[in-house]
Amino acid sequence: EPEVTQTPSHQVTQMGQEVILRCVPISNHLYFYWYRQILGQKVEFLVSFYNNEISEKSEIFDDQFSVERPDGSNFTLKIRSTKLEDSAMYFCASSELVSNYGYTFGSGTRLTVV
Amino acid sequence: SQQGEEDPQALSIQEGENATMNCSYKTSINNLQWYRQNSGRGLVHLILIRSNEREKHSGRLRVTLDTSKKSSSLLITASRAADTASYFCATDFYGNNRLAFGKGNQVVVIP
Repeated sequence: EPEVTQTPSHQVTQMGQEVILRCVPISNHLYFYWYRQILGQKVEFLVSFYNNEISEKSEIFDDQFSVERPDGSNFTLKIRSTKLEDSAMYFCASSELVSNYGYTFGSGTRLTVV
Repeated sequence: SQQGEEDPQALSIQEGENATMNCSYKTSINNLQWYRQNSGRGLVHLILIRSNEREKHSGRLRVTLDTSKKSSSLLITASRAADTASYFCATDFYGNNRLAFGKGNQVVVIP
């Protein structure tokens, strides 16, 4: 069964450093997403991406965040200057179409900012 | 803003029993989805029910949707130890390309 692949599975970074989280969505999917889950809290929407541009973003997705699909297969989330509160599990997801279809989520990247 | 919200429960049941969990939301939705998350792992899509559907089955899963009460339930029949996980509902509402997740229900199935 097709999978969404995320790397790395765990990343530790120092506060203020830049991190790039990588995702390979399912190949025939058109919509790509990033969500995050702070430990013990809800899964929160960050951003959706379609046709090489952001289609929706949440209040969390401020100027320190950016997304890119550099080569037609990878989908990346960059955090420019990490803060302690960015520590969370980050999930990438993709869907074939918008609405009325389930999303396929990756297994996540656990980001720890120290 | 709209949120899927499960009844905050930690269910502990014996293998073979049924597990039921509920979810409520605040505004009109396009569909409601249920996901499972094993400890520290990713989210696995279980089932999606559209706003014009009232009940849906998938294997041992049964989902109901009551749009008048803005609520949904997930029933897992004949539970197995492998069903031990957290279960989340997520709402997808019109005009918005995002999911709003609830807090999750932790289910422990005792062998």
